[in-house]
Amino acid sequence: QLQLQESGPGLVKPSETLSLTCTVSGGSISSGAYNWGWIRQPPGKGLEWIGSISVHGRTWYTPSLKSRVTLSVDMSNNQFSLNLKSVTAADTAVYYCARPSGVIRHDAFDIWGQGTMVTVSS
Amino acid sequence: QSVLTQPPSVSAAPGQKVTISCSGSSSNIGNNYVSWYQQFPGTAPKLLIYDNDQRPPGIPDRFSGSKSGTSGTLGITGLQTGDEADYYCGTWDDNLSAGVVFGGGTKLTVL
Repeated sequence: QLQLQESGPGLVKPSETLSLTCTVSGGSISSGAYNWGWIRQPPGKGLEWIGSISVHGRTWYTPSLKSRVTLSVDMSNNQFSLNLKSVTAADTAVYYCARPSGVIRHDAFDIWGQGTMVTVSS
Repeated sequence: QSVLTQPPSVSAAPGQKVTISCSGSSSNIGNNYVSWYQQFPGTAPKLLIYDNDQRPPGIPDRFSGSKSGTSGTLGITGLQTGDEADYYCGTWDDNLSAGVVFGGGTKLTVL
């Protein structure tokens, strides 16, 4: 079945750029018009949606992060990626990639990666 | 401060029923579907309910969802100790392209 796996550095210095990749296995990222999403969860806190990207590269971002976030998709490698620039300690969180349960929609995520912890610290 | 409001915690005894509320506004719950997630410590959230009241395959019918106006509700019957987890509601918010919004989460304790 379809699986998602996040990868990237677990430690990022303040003011630098956080870069994560989500690899899709067990199926093609271009199969269906899904909007692939990123969600994060600071330690001990709730879920925060970061944004979504379609296989055609259209993006949607949460307003509070829009100025710092860039999502991209690489269909040849069955991956999509997150770049978050100018990070601070407030960006320390577990980052999840996820797929919604239906095409076109952005919510109701039924497939999640295991999550990757990213710490922002010097 | 989450866009959707959930009680921080609820508790009930094994075998009992519990409900978790999720309050929003006309721009989010009032105009869109509600989803519910279950999350155990150290693991990714799991979709329990989507489109207000639909269960994905494999989710027991002990879990139910409903929506009325600008609020959604998750119900769990026949509580088990294994249901002890954090529960989150989520939906799309039409306001100023806010996107997907979540509640702050509710910790369920099965006494």
